[in-house]
Amino acid sequence: KAGVTQTPRYLIKTRGQQVTLSCSPISGHRSVSWYQQTPGQGLQFLFEYFSETQRNKGNFPGRFSGRQFSNSRSEMNVSTLELGDSALYLCASSPGTGPDTQYFGPGTRLTVL
Amino acid sequence: DQQVKQNSPSLSVQEGRISILNCDYTNSMFDYFLWYKKYPAEGPTFLISISSIKDKNEDGRFTVFLNKSAKHLSLHIVPSQPGDSAVYFCAASASRDDKIIFGKGTRLHILP
Repeated sequence: KAGVTQTPRYLIKTRGQQVTLSCSPISGHRSVSWYQQTPGQGLQFLFEYFSETQRNKGNFPGRFSGRQFSNSRSEMNVSTLELGDSALYLCASSPGTGPDTQYFGPGTRLTVL
Repeated sequence: DQQVKQNSPSLSVQEGRISILNCDYTNSMFDYFLWYKKYPAEGPTFLISISSIKDKNEDGRFTVFLNKSAKHLSLHIVPSQPGDSAVYFCAASASRDDKIIFGKGTRLHILP
């Protein structure tokens, strides 16, 4: 069974640009969650989508948005990039039955210059 | 305001001994607690969980203890093995359907 895949794995952008990250969940999983990992703040929850609807949301500004498609694939968009957005962005998928059934992808490393 | 705190950034333990990783939380609404393990260049993997109706949950070498009155949980690994060297994240949520709040992690080094 294929795991969670995230593309691209590495990305370099400049301040003010926007970026879109993609996550393909494990087949059959309907929930996709996004997290930001930085050395100073650790792992922070961004949002969760379940069956194309945002089910939970973290405390991030509106520049961070996401969506989920009918095939459960999800995208995360960050507009007007800031230096502080440099981080590892992790996606996790689950059948939607709870966090202990959550599988993480390897992440996308975003560097903002 | 950090709701889940792992006050030890790193911990070194001799192989074969017990590793104890600690976690404190501030939100009394948290009802479900988890531990994740993360190797470099990989995403975190779920290790073990506990709900607030229990005070202990065991899975092989891993045991999680929950002290609700102290808002404290700990992960015990016995015996510690070299493959246990990783970053361990403590996490909590108000329910199984709610968002998960993570601590900043503790890096565990198992010494030969």
